[in-house]
Amino acid sequence: ETGVTQSPTHLIKTRGQQVTLRCSSQSGHNTVSWYQQALGQGPQFIFQYYREEENGRGNFPPRFSGLQFPNYSSELNVNALELDDSALYLCASSPFDVLGTGGGYGYTFGSGTRLTVV
Amino acid sequence: DQQVKQNSPSLSVQEGRISILNCDYTNSMFDYFLWYKKYPAEGPTFLISISSIKDKNEDGRFTVFLNKSAKHLSLHIVPSQPGDSAVYFCAASSAVSGQNFVFGPGTRLSVLP
Repeated sequence: ETGVTQSPTHLIKTRGQQVTLRCSSQSGHNTVSWYQQALGQGPQFIFQYYREEENGRGNFPPRFSGLQFPNYSSELNVNALELDDSALYLCASSPFDVLGTGGGYGYTFGSGTRLTVV
Repeated sequence: DQQVKQNSPSLSVQEGRISILNCDYTNSMFDYFLWYKKYPAEGPTFLISISSIKDKNEDGRFTVFLNKSAKHLSLHIVPSQPGDSAVYFCAASSAVSGQNFVFGPGTRLSVLP
């Protein structure tokens, strides 16, 4: 069983540029969520995708957008990068009814992409 | 305004002793809580969870206690081992918010040999 893989692991971009981060879900998981973790803080929910559609969004501006593909892999796109976008971006996959299963094993996270905006 | 708080940024415990990590929340709609552990350069790993219909859940050395009236939960690790040294995040969710977990800022646990 493969876990969640993210690419690239590290990235440096210039303010105003655009970036695309990629995520491959764990086998059997059909839901992907993206989180931003700033230094010294907990992960903050960006959005979630299920069946290739956005299924919930946190308090992030529209320049943060995403895609989910038929194989459940996903992309996070950020336009017009700002210095404050520098963070660790985490992708997490799960079955859709992760809270309804009773098993309660939550998400499976990838190791993240460290984005630095200069 | 932080909905999930972990007021201790760090905690040091001697090997073999009990580690107690605390978490407080403000949103009374939260009904599902999880603890994640994170090592450097790795993503968070699910540790244990509890739903609001319970006040205790145990899994090996890890026990989570939930006090709904106080909006407080705690994670107990007994006995603590050096491999437990990591950052621990408390997370919460509600039926309204669905699958979206709200994380606390984390507590760094150091277990000293």
